[in-house]
Amino acid sequence: DTGVSQDPRHKITKRGQNVTFRCDPISEHNRLYWYRQTLGQGPEFLTYFQNEAQLEKSRLLSDRFSAERPKGSFSTLEIQRTEQGDSAMYLCASSNSEDTEAFFGQGTRLTVV
Amino acid sequence: AQTVTQSQPEMSVQEAETVTLSCTYDTSESDYYLFWYKQPPSRQMILVIRQEAYKQQNATENRFSVNFQKAAKSFSLKISDSQLGDAAMYFCAAGNMLTFGGGTRLMVKP
Repeated sequence: DTGVSQDPRHKITKRGQNVTFRCDPISEHNRLYWYRQTLGQGPEFLTYFQNEAQLEKSRLLSDRFSAERPKGSFSTLEIQRTEQGDSAMYLCASSNSEDTEAFFGQGTRLTVV
Repeated sequence: AQTVTQSQPEMSVQEAETVTLSCTYDTSESDYYLFWYKQPPSRQMILVIRQEAYKQQNATENRFSVNFQKAAKSFSLKISDSQLGDAAMYFCAAGNMLTFGGGTRLMVKP
């Protein structure tokens, strides 16, 4: 297992377009987290899954953001009608449970022009 | 709701000296876990140390230790014998949803 994988690593999109990011967690991990991180700031919690169940989504930044984790394996984060303020690093992490180490991917850097 | 606050945006330490990074948190959970993560420049976040809130004993991991004060909801990180490779952003995280603080940038002077 090569760890948490995120794709793409970089995405440049025009304002108003939709984008989708993918996260492949470590295979035996049942928890998966999504964060947004801007330069010099801490990761901002967006949502998380326990297997395929999305346990918290009220912190998604707006109704333009949505996430899925079909079959409890990989997850996708979609941003519709992107805005310049969406430009950030989007991080994914996975863990066995809430008390164990979360392993982070390298992130997807989104630039909205 | 969970909040995590790191009040020191930047800290500086001389190589081989000791530094303490502060963190306070608020959570409604009765049983929870606390973590310190390190993020070197342009690199992935990695775990430094974790603490179970139901344990009174402070966690220790080599040169890294915590001072956990549950009543005060305080969770500070002490780095002993600081090394140049310790220079990074340090993030405190807490709770079931793994909520992060804003981070402290640690600089290590040779």
